[in-house]
Amino acid sequence: AQRVTQPEKLLSVFKGAPVELKCNYSYSGSPELFWYVQYSRQRLQLLLRHISRESIKGFTADLNKGETSFHLKKPFAQEEDSAMYYCALSYVASGSARQLTFGSGTQLTVLP
Amino acid sequence: DADVTQTPRNRITKTGKRIMLECSQTKGHDRMYWYRQDPGLGLRLIYYSFDVKDINKGEISDGYSVSRQAQAKFSLSLESAIPNQTALYFCATSGSGTGVWKTQYFGPGTRLLVL
Repeated sequence: AQRVTQPEKLLSVFKGAPVELKCNYSYSGSPELFWYVQYSRQRLQLLLRHISRESIKGFTADLNKGETSFHLKKPFAQEEDSAMYYCALSYVASGSARQLTFGSGTQLTVLP
Repeated sequence: DADVTQTPRNRITKTGKRIMLECSQTKGHDRMYWYRQDPGLGLRLIYYSFDVKDINKGEISDGYSVSRQAQAKFSLSLESAIPNQTALYFCATSGSGTGVWKTQYFGPGTRLLVL
């Protein structure tokens, strides 16, 4: 069955330090992976998706099919990056409809 | 994104009561979703609808029902609320089409407490 695992519930780094939020998935089909972010008192929003191969707010994520991972990285963390981050996997459910499943989230705190 | 709104934003109810959470969108999207968010569990899909005549169960539909009154409205009902339904509920919308997953746009959430 498809599953998304984010092993770290909490992650703290100092401003200017590199940050990596881990995400592993299990899915037998062709995966589509996403990172969503929820800043304090704001709604959940898409940060980036693997098919776009983009960098948003300095964050990047590379899909590694061999390791079934989609870790989110940023070389120099900023205080405004503090938020809850969710990794998500789009998969084909029964009846061929695509659905989205989320990991349990990682709360990132960037310390001054 | 103010295009997706949820009412109420907060609700306290008692065990056994019936309550309805409403979601409206002005994005013109066909697809709408209801999720619940629990600490340590992330977001889990309750129901989703790909158009007005299409309703599908998600991962955790037991104890919930939905109604798609119009393209722009998707309501979630708890027929007889129980304390373990205390959670943060999110509505989301997305465009339609085959192929890759369409970006979902989330509402602000409804915080529900069942006593």
